[in-house]
Order: sequence, then structure tokens, then C-alpha cells
Amino acid sequence: EAQVTQNPRYLITVTGKKLTVTCSQNMNHEYMSWYRQDPGLGLRQIYYSMNVEVTDKGDVPEGYKVSRKEKRNFPLILESPSPNQTSLYFCASRRLITGELFFGEGSRLTVL
Amino acid sequence: AQKITQTQPGMFVQEKEAVTLDCTYDTSDQSYGLFWYKQPSSGEMIFLIYQGSYDEQNATEGRYSLNFQKARKSANLVISASQLGDSAMYFCAMRPNTGGFKTIFGAGTRLFVKA
Repeated sequence: EAQVTQNPRYLITVTGKKLTVTCSQNMNHEYMSWYRQDPGLGLRQIYYSMNVEVTDKGDVPEGYKVSRKEKRNFPLILESPSPNQTSLYFCASRRLITGELFFGEGSRLTVL
Repeated sequence: AQKITQTQPGMFVQEKEAVTLDCTYDTSDQSYGLFWYKQPSSGEMIFLIYQGSYDEQNATEGRYSLNFQKARKSANLVISASQLGDSAMYFCAMRPNTGGFKTIFGAGTRLFVKA
């Protein structure tokens, strides 16, 4: 089954405690991206990757890091989380021709 | 600037009736893709329908159709014969050809289907 898997699904942490949200896809998609969803703002892109070792900033990259060492994995790293990073996070991979996004189930992060 | 605008924060529709969710977009690209995604209360994002900018016919997928008016830069989603399970948040999105391969989302429209 084609899927994007992200973990953890829910996380409560404290300010400054580094965390990583993992993302893995099994569709051999080259393009992957991270979004955050906040009420009234829709989904905003944090980072994206067009292939292994190729990453670039989206619209709201501050406070986040990513890496793409393997095609299937695209982890999101919060080095020093702050309360304004409390949000619902989605990882997605993209079909090449149409650009349709396949989303993970979402990770709800709360930073206290 | 590339942008998606959804002007209806919330809408109600009676079960079995049709409903139109509005979406306008802004891009100077000639080639782009338009999408609609559904987000039920469980939170996952579900792809509904895709329209390419060069497609001459409006896209349809079951009860979903995309009313594409290129000159007006609108890409409205029409849901026919609404069902209770259609109650969800709906996002319009655009994949322009320039600007870093990003997909841009609107703020969403929350649809409530009444029995």
C-alpha cells in the first residue's frame, strides 16, 4: 500500500528540548516536503526536498532543519522548540507528473 | 505573488443537495496545477481532484467536479448530492511551475452537511 508514515503522531515537549519528527514514503517519490497547519492559515510549507541531498526552504523555515540522506526518508528537526511551533505538522511526497501530494497522517506537536 | 484565496470560512448544505466551494488563484505561470484536498475531523489530508492549466475539460471524480475558469482564475469545487460524510475542511491548492516547486494552499472552507 502506498503510504507516507510520520512519527510521532502526538508529542508534548518543553521549550528547548530537541526533537525529530520522522517521515518515510514507499512510493519512490523524489519530491518530499513538510507543512505546518495552523487555524485560519491553511498549510504552509516549511522545507522541501527535490531529491537526495537536495533541500530548500519553504515559506516558514525558521526554527526547523531537515535532511534527506535517503530517498524514502525526510525527517524534520526542531533543534530548540518554542511555543510558537505548537502546530499540526504534515509530511508529504509528491507524484511527479501531476504534483498530487500524498500526506502522512499528521503529527500534533505541543511545546510548553 | 502566487496565492490561493478561499473566501468562505464556513458553509452549510442540506444533505443530497449540491454545493460549490469557491477558490481563486493568482499566478503569472502559464503552466500550473490546481488541486482540492479534504480534511475530515480525523485530521488526515485526502486528495480529491486535479486540474491542469492546459486541460480543456473540467476535471471530474465521482461526485466531485472542478469548475475551472481560467480567465477568471477560479477553480471552484462542486460536490453533488452531499452526504453527511462530506462534512470536513476543504483546501484548494496550486502547484505553480516556478517558485521552487512548492504547493500553495488556501486557508480552507469548513463544510457542514445537515441531515
